[in-house]
Amino acid sequence: EVQLVESGGGFVQPGGSLSLSCAASGFSYSSYSMSWVRQAPGKGLEWISFISSTGNTKFYGDSVEGRFAVSRDNAKNSLYLQMNSLRAEDTAVYYCARDSGSYSPYYFDVWGQGTRVTVSS
Amino acid sequence: QSALIQPASVSGSPGQSITISCTGTSTDVGGYNYVSWYQQHPGKVPKLIIYDVNNRPSGVSNRFSGSKSGNTASLTISGLQAEDEADYYCVSYTSDTSLYVLFGGGTRLTVL
Repeated sequence: EVQLVESGGGFVQPGGSLSLSCAASGFSYSSYSMSWVRQAPGKGLEWISFISSTGNTKFYGDSVEGRFAVSRDNAKNSLYLQMNSLRAEDTAVYYCARDSGSYSPYYFDVWGQGTRVTVSS
Repeated sequence: QSALIQPASVSGSPGQSITISCTGTSTDVGGYNYVSWYQQHPGKVPKLIIYDVNNRPSGVSNRFSGSKSGNTASLTISGLQAEDEADYYCVSYTSDTSLYVLFGGGTRLTVL
């Protein structure tokens, strides 16, 4: 079964850091690009980061550029999102998604169940 | 305000057909056949239902169809069922290299 499982969410104070992980199984992970998409409470979906299959190409949305860093370990079938300088507006459910784009985000055909991040003092 | 414009809500009765629009510009929806649609039930994970404007992934009901005219893409759901009640989002590639991909604000479908 194709599956993505996120972990690492939680409660953090403004200015703090958090690291998310996404474990992939059931498909050839190293052949696929991946993206992170988030959803603030009661709001719509927002793409925030893309990483190519090799990890050589990375893109970020304007709202997280310079604060978040995406990485992957193909040997461990894992995707990561390091989130620094967190703000209240980063509060959201964070989804990892398999991305059908090779060089930039395209469409997302497999989604994880999401992990909740709450930034509050 | 989202980059792609969707109606906030649409509604229909069981058995009817409804269409959800997604309006962009010539640098995204109008310029490329790279529009996808996602269904999200409340509290659930988004699900891909249409990609490349009008292609359905395996397992998605043929009651879902996509199209595009100019800068507006559309999702049509025919034979409306109670289980179709959900939020629907469109996504498009954009040639704006500072944005990469655009999401619509989402449309809540209510089955009356």
